[in-house]
Amino acid sequence: DAGVTQSPTHLIKTRGQQVTLRCSPKSGHDTVSWYQQALGQGPQFIFQYYEEEERQRGNFPDRFSGHQFPNYSSELNVNALLLGDSALYLCASSLVGLSGNTIYFGEGSWLTVV
Amino acid sequence: AQTVTQSQPEMSVQEAETVTLSCTYDTSESNYYLFWYKQPPSRQMILVIRQEAYKQQNATENRFSVNFQKAAKSFSLKISDSQLGDTAMYFCAFMKPYNNNDMRFGAGTRLTVKP
Repeated sequence: DAGVTQSPTHLIKTRGQQVTLRCSPKSGHDTVSWYQQALGQGPQFIFQYYEEEERQRGNFPDRFSGHQFPNYSSELNVNALLLGDSALYLCASSLVGLSGNTIYFGEGSWLTVV
Repeated sequence: AQTVTQSQPEMSVQEAETVTLSCTYDTSESNYYLFWYKQPPSRQMILVIRQEAYKQQNATENRFSVNFQKAAKSFSLKISDSQLGDTAMYFCAFMKPYNNNDMRFGAGTRLTVKP
C-alpha cells in the first residue's frame, strides 16, 4: 500500500517563474492538504482540498493555488516565485470525517528559488 | 487563532536515558487534537503520538508518553530509554476536530541522542 507520494523531489527555479508540485494521496484517502516548511521552522498550512474544491486556506497569497483531480491527487502551483518561497513543500492526506491519526505526510518537494 | 509554542530549540540526551520535550498552545476551543511528530533527516513527518483533548488519560505509545495538562494548555512529550534512532526534529501540533489536515505546528525541538 503506497503512502503519500510527491514529485518532484527537488527542483530549482528562477525568481518570477512558476512551479507545479504534485501529490498522490495514500490509497483510500480523499482529502489533501499542502504545507510549506521553511528551513528551521515548523510546517505552515497552505490549503486543503476535498471533492476537488479548496475548503480551507492558511495565510498565503493568491500566488499559491491548487487543484484536486477526480482521482484525489493534487497539484500545488506557485506563480511569480520569490526567493522567500524556497522551502520544503509537504503534502498530507486523510479521509474526511476522521481526524487525528489518519493523517499521513509525504516526503516533500524541495524548492529552491534563485 | 491557535498558536503552538516549543520553547526548547535544541536538546540532547544520553542513550538509554529519559528526556522531556515541552509544548504549550493557545486556543479557545474546548475540544481538539494534539500531536507530536518526528521529522528525521529524511524530512518525512512521522506521527509519534496523539491526544484527544476530551480524554483525560495521557496517551502512551511504547517508549513515548505525554503529559497533557488541559487547564495549563501544556502538552509535553516524554521519551524513555532514548535510542540513537530517536535523533530528529520533534514538532508539536494542534488541530481542531474535523479540520482535516489543517494543523498548526510549533517551531520544533532538535533532539540529539548521544551514545
